[in-house]
Amino acid sequence: DTAVSQTPKYLVTQMGNDKSIKCEQNLGHDTMYWYKQDSKKFLKIMFSYNNKELIINETVPNRFSPKSPDKAHLNLHINSLELGDSAVYFCASSQALGLAFYNEQFFGPGTRLTVL
Amino acid sequence: GQQVMQIPQYQHVQEGEDFTTYCNSSTTLSNIQWYKQRPGGHPVFLIQLVKSGEVKKQKRLTFQFGEAKKNSSLHITATQTTDVGTYFCAGGTALIFGKGTTLSVSS
Repeated sequence: DTAVSQTPKYLVTQMGNDKSIKCEQNLGHDTMYWYKQDSKKFLKIMFSYNNKELIINETVPNRFSPKSPDKAHLNLHINSLELGDSAVYFCASSQALGLAFYNEQFFGPGTRLTVL
Repeated sequence: GQQVMQIPQYQHVQEGEDFTTYCNSSTTLSNIQWYKQRPGGHPVFLIQLVKSGEVKKQKRLTFQFGEAKKNSSLHITATQTTDVGTYFCAGGTALIFGKGTTLSVSS
């Protein structure tokens, strides 16, 4: 069984469209994340979320919004897509350890988004 | 803001040579993690270091956390072609990733 899964694997769309990427984890973790990896492989956290708190990286445009229907899912919705949004988006999950902000993270396979 | 610097950005070695990547933070880190990402793949957790001066080994990989908890290193002894990939360190309460070191190995 895949621990962290994402759909779709590839997403090609036009500028201005709205799209969603889905993420599911079956590890029973309480915290999930979204990362953006650009063409230079720079990996940047966008959001972290558990059932208590959403932490947003202040550099993320408000066109991006995470939506969590339950503890095992954290979807990423993107409005008004721009060329610069083209990247690989990774979902990840971890189990919080007390006061520690994060523990070992398990990454999904990634979604390659191309905005034309 | 907090920054995590990683050097070198790229490293090419002959199979059998050693390899080291360094990670430096502008602030003290509570802990640091290392990940490996194979070409076309996703980051995979390697290890987490928590204590000042900590050294951990995984077969040919040696990880160190500096005494001041502001720097870390990953050393690979006698590289193999299977070591190819990008190695990331990550640390800080905001989970800052370094830009990674991409290792290529020729046989």
